[in-house]
Amino acid sequence: EVQLVESGGGLVQPGGSLRLSCAASGFAVGTHYMTWVRQAPGKGLEWVSVISSGGSTYYTDSVKDRFTISRDNSKNTLYLQMNSLRAEDTAVYHCARGRDYYDTSPHYWGQGTLVTVSS
Amino acid sequence: QTVVTQVPSFSVSPGGTVTLTCGLSSGSVSTSSYPSWYQQTPGQAPRTLIYNTNTRSSGVPDRFSGSILGNKAALTITGAQADDESDYYCVVYMGSGIWVFGGGTRVTVL
Repeated sequence: EVQLVESGGGLVQPGGSLRLSCAASGFAVGTHYMTWVRQAPGKGLEWVSVISSGGSTYYTDSVKDRFTISRDNSKNTLYLQMNSLRAEDTAVYHCARGRDYYDTSPHYWGQGTLVTVSS
Repeated sequence: QTVVTQVPSFSVSPGGTVTLTCGLSSGSVSTSSYPSWYQQTPGQAPRTLIYNTNTRSSGVPDRFSGSILGNKAALTITGAQADDESDYYCVVYMGSGIWVFGGGTRVTVL
């Protein structure tokens, strides 16, 4: 069974940094496309970033040069390093996996971790 | 930047049929956009309903169906039930590795 458990969220000041983790079980993170999706309070879903099985990475414009997606295959964990955080980055961050080895879309979802950017 | 458009809200009577759409501010949604649809209730993670335009995810009732209608992706709920009351989101592939979600449609069953 595919399971995804996010952690690392919390309160951070504007301009600060945070690293989110997504622990996977039931499959190997290095063999699937893995995605981060966020949802600001009371707002809709926003696609943030994806890492391919080959290690290629893609980002939405608003987080480019500030966020970095990565994974540790030995720990079977996906990460999102978030730097230069802004108030508008406040959201629940979900990690997600593609349906199969070739699917780049979010299909299996974790419950999410809340990031609050505030002074 | 291209925006993915969804009607903010819809009401449907129990047993009725509703079709939600997902378009682009510029251009068309086609099967090459690989649209997917998600259902989300408050405080819960999204649940994948439909992928690749019209394929139901495992365990999704057949009252949910996906299609392309004109230049938009569509999600149809046939025989709506009370527990279909949720937010529904589409996501569309824009190319170059990028996906974009629509703003979501809140469906009320009453």
